[in-house]
Amino acid sequence: DTAVSQTPKYLVTQMGNDKSIKCEQNLGHDTMYWYKQDSKKFLKIMFSYNNKELIINETVPNRFSPKSPDKAHLNLHINSLELGDSAVYFCASSPRGTGDYGYTFGSGTRLTVV
Amino acid sequence: GDSVTQMEGPVTLSEEAFLTINCTYTATGYPSLFWYVQYPGEGLQLLLKATKADDKGSNKGFEATYRKETTSFHLEKGSVQVSDSAVYFCALTDTGGFKTIFGAGTRLFVKA
Repeated sequence: DTAVSQTPKYLVTQMGNDKSIKCEQNLGHDTMYWYKQDSKKFLKIMFSYNNKELIINETVPNRFSPKSPDKAHLNLHINSLELGDSAVYFCASSPRGTGDYGYTFGSGTRLTVV
Repeated sequence: GDSVTQMEGPVTLSEEAFLTINCTYTATGYPSLFWYVQYPGEGLQLLLKATKADDKGSNKGFEATYRKETTSFHLEKGSVQVSDSAVYFCALTDTGGFKTIFGAGTRLFVKA
């Protein structure tokens, strides 16, 4: 039973399309995150939700919109996809607001925009 | 702002060699420090952590000590194996606890 699961694992789409990535955790954690990893493996936080409330919203184009219907789910919707959006997107969770326990990561969604 | 700096890779070692990957940080307050490992095609996995000065985190033969005086958290392993080949990330969580900042990652290759 996967702790943090993301779907889809791979996503290939054309420029201008709209796509969503879903994330679910069954750990009972309060806080969930989206990170973007570029081709050089650099990780950048995008968003964080704590108990469905948005607490971190980094400098991310407003084409990216997160949604958390409940504390076990955090989805990422991307409008008008651009070539530069190609990356691996990781969902993660932690037990509570603090990250002192460390994160549990999903296995990633590799997005390729052509 | 807070930041994490890791030694650039790749690091290439022979099996059973000693490993050190340097990590230094800049932070206000009292961050928690972490090492994560990413195997090819997978997400990051928490390897070890330390939440206050002089704490030593350890797991699977890896160790790191939180050194406040040198703002460092270097990762060490006495004898690496081929299966340790991966990308290693140093990270800190700020005092407020909601944001974790990652270093750029260090790729390790271990040859048989």
